[in-house]
Amino acid sequence: SQQGEEDPQALSIQEGENATMNCSYKTSINNLQWYRQNSGRGLVHLILIRSNEREKHSGRLRVTLDTSKKSSSLLITASRAADTASYFCATVSFSGGYNKLIFGAGTRLAVHP
Amino acid sequence: DGGITQSPKYLFRKEGQNVTLSCEQNLNHDAMYWYRQDPGQGLRLIYYSQIVNDFQKGDIAEGYSVSREKKESFPLTVTSAQKNPTAFYLCASLKSSAMGQSGNTIYFGEGSWLTVV
Repeated sequence: SQQGEEDPQALSIQEGENATMNCSYKTSINNLQWYRQNSGRGLVHLILIRSNEREKHSGRLRVTLDTSKKSSSLLITASRAADTASYFCATVSFSGGYNKLIFGAGTRLAVHP
Repeated sequence: DGGITQSPKYLFRKEGQNVTLSCEQNLNHDAMYWYRQDPGQGLRLIYYSQIVNDFQKGDIAEGYSVSREKKESFPLTVTSAQKNPTAFYLCASLKSSAMGQSGNTIYFGEGSWLTVV
């Protein structure tokens, strides 16, 4: 079963607006990562936040992590049409000698010019 | 440049046929993973491997098989037992240690499209 659950499932905004996507998870994690996927392509790493971090920035991206609520958010500021893609959160947890990677169902973002 | 290479990009399978998807990485990563993605959906874990000659079933392993004879290679075979194999398949790798590292980044291949004809 998928551990990460993103919401909303789909988001439609105008260029210049901010886009916020949320991710919840169920078990303890080592880190949480956000990925972007253009249609029919592989996933591209955006940002990683460790379990002992609360906020991280990278360009127009801002990620927060609340381990007490087991949730994370991805904020894309001043969105552009080129940001149109699906965004996934992934959790990395180490258990029983294995690093298990679990992805959510993703948020499909559409940015309209 | 280091990375993950999946091949073929597009593959067509006839009913009752086994097919194998290739995944090769030159990142010296220990862990490798196979995911299935249906249109408009998220990624579901098929199999994963932490070290050579060891692999574990994921959430949807039925109808699939893997091998990990070399560190850099993790091929996925879609068997005839998989009744609905049409999907996008993604391979990923992760640099890991026995104790787990908080800074690991997951790397993905470009994916393989499998269609049953």
